[in-house]
Amino acid sequence: NAGVTQTPKFQVLKTGQSMTLQCAQDMNHNSMYWYRQDPGMGLRLIYYSASEGTTDKGEVPNGYNVSRLNKREFSLRLESAAPSQTSVYFCASSVGNTGELFFGEGSRLTVL
Amino acid sequence: GENVEQHPSTLSVQEGDSAVIKCTYSDSASNYFPWYKQELGKGPQLIIDIRSNVGEKKDQRIAVTLNKTAKHFSLHITETQPEDSAVYFCAASPSGSARQLTFGSGTQLTVLP
Repeated sequence: NAGVTQTPKFQVLKTGQSMTLQCAQDMNHNSMYWYRQDPGMGLRLIYYSASEGTTDKGEVPNGYNVSRLNKREFSLRLESAAPSQTSVYFCASSVGNTGELFFGEGSRLTVL
Repeated sequence: GENVEQHPSTLSVQEGDSAVIKCTYSDSASNYFPWYKQELGKGPQLIIDIRSNVGEKKDQRIAVTLNKTAKHFSLHITETQPEDSAVYFCAASPSGSARQLTFGSGTQLTVLP
């Protein structure tokens, strides 16, 4: 089992460019999450999906869109990247709405 | 909403010594308190968690204590080893909801050989 797999691991964008971060899990989990991690701020939830076809905003959703393509895959899209979106992005999954989160290894995004 | 404060932000200890990381929370409805360990270049991984119906939980060299009255909880690592060096995050949530987890800002623990 690979667990939670994120791609790409590193990306550099110019302001205004768009990109999609991909996430897939092979643990048959129902819930999936996107977090961003910034120095001194811990992990903040961007979007959440309780099941295929459903998504909900988290604490910091502005500037992002998500798609729960199927039970395995949950993608995060930046339509027009801004320097404030420079961060490390983590995808996570859990069996249900409670309990342990399983994280991917992260995607480091730099917006110039 | 919930606010979780974590201290210290950095902690250095000698190998074999104990390490303590403390967190406070603001929402009295929070009843689930996990701790995650993040090694360099990796995603966070759950190492221990506690629910509000218990005051302490141990797992080998790791223990977590909870004081609901004072709204604080702590992570204790005994007999520290170099592989304990990592960033540790505390978190709090009402009803055990992962969706509503609020994370602390993290503690960089360095175990010196």
